[in-house]
Amino acid sequence: QLQLQESGPGLVKPSETLSLTCTVSGGSISSSSYYWGWIRQPPGKGLEWIGSIYYSGSTYYNPSLKSRVTISVDTSKNQFSLKLSSVTAADTAVYYCARHGRVVVVAATSWFDPWGQGTLVTVSS
Amino acid sequence: EIVMTQSPATLSVSPGERATLSCRASQSVSSNLAWYQQKPGQAPRLLIYGASTRATGIPARFSGSGSGTEFTLTISSLQSEDFAVYYCQQYNNWLGTFGQGTKVEIK
Repeated sequence: QLQLQESGPGLVKPSETLSLTCTVSGGSISSSSYYWGWIRQPPGKGLEWIGSIYYSGSTYYNPSLKSRVTISVDTSKNQFSLKLSSVTAADTAVYYCARHGRVVVVAATSWFDPWGQGTLVTVSS
Repeated sequence: EIVMTQSPATLSVSPGERATLSCRASQSVSSNLAWYQQKPGQAPRLLIYGASTRATGIPARFSGSGSGTEFTLTISSLQSEDFAVYYCQQYNNWLGTFGQGTKVEIK
């Protein structure tokens, strides 16, 4: 059974860079059928797709975050990572990693399944 | 950006009753819509994709319908474990977007 697990600091200072890693187990991140994405959820609020990566390194970002986001993949470790720069309090959220496909040519994502358990990142000095 | 609007924000239902949740898209998303269930402190769980296809392991009491801009998630007979927040998500264009959620609470 495929499982995803987020890891990284739970506290980041304003203006610094948030860095998270998602470790995939029970399957290969190099599967040609799937993409690997990051989604976040501010406390008490809804869900926002941040961006995704294919095992080849191709990336797809939410335009509203694109200038601050970098997603990378390490197939040797079966991991992919998120970096979000110049964070503010508005970036405080639970960050999830998840797998998805692409079924619509013009769409960067499809449905997300499965998800990691999520990790809370608080931006505060 | 396609805006997804869910209604109602909160739905109070008694166990065993039927729950009907709505999701409206600001423009057509064809059948490229998914539904998720989220319980407190947990990640969202995929229920439905393609507007009406149940994900693996999802009970038959969950059903999805609709296409274009109007979608419905129906829970035929609410069980105690179904009280949660439900989100819809469209994936018809570049930027996939989620609705704001409907909380299903015990009446």
